[in-house]
Amino acid sequence: NAGVTQTPKFQVLKTGQSMTLQCAQDMNHNSMYWYRQDPGMGLRLIYYSASEGTTDKGEVPNGYNVSRLNKREFSLRLESAAPSQTSVYFCASSRGTGVGNTIYFGEGSWLTVV
Amino acid sequence: AQRVTQPEKLLSVFKGAPVELKCNYSYSGSPELFWYVQYSRQRLQLLLRHISRESIKGFTADLNKGETSFHLKKPFAQEEDSAMYYCALKDSSNTGKLIFGQGTTLQVKP
Repeated sequence: NAGVTQTPKFQVLKTGQSMTLQCAQDMNHNSMYWYRQDPGMGLRLIYYSASEGTTDKGEVPNGYNVSRLNKREFSLRLESAAPSQTSVYFCASSRGTGVGNTIYFGEGSWLTVV
Repeated sequence: AQRVTQPEKLLSVFKGAPVELKCNYSYSGSPELFWYVQYSRQRLQLLLRHISRESIKGFTADLNKGETSFHLKKPFAQEEDSAMYYCALKDSSNTGKLIFGQGTTLQVKP
């Protein structure tokens, strides 16, 4: 019963470095999402993948890229990290997009850019 | 525009007191609304959703379309209810995306 698994859990980067956050789900879900959580701003959608083979921008995509590697995996890449990208990142998934589908979240990845 | 507003950043109550966490939304049509709870440094967990009309851990929420509200209530708060609570609205684009409010921290004092 792993659900949605994210790695790494904690990471410190220097400005300008790159890194990839990995996410995998074992629930055979079709849709996957990346959110960032910042104090006082709730969760904001970075990118999503409604189904395998598709990706789309969310509310705050600048500075990020994603790859839907297969049905299970959806990675988030920071090409050149900036201090404004210091945040907690949550990967999530859902079986589908219609009414009644629930989104399940991973445990979060704490990223600090110095 | 679709939007979720949680007007209180922090709600502090004593154990045994009633709790109401406010959520207002802006949406055209029939909204699908959720409450998620996040305990300290853990993942967000679904607490309840309006279409199920369920009660989880003593919490209930009623959709009021006239007031465009989906307030979360519990008659008697427990210390273990201390957490961050997010109200969320499913986006109308049929992509499954959720629009979150800013979150309310509930602090239940002994």
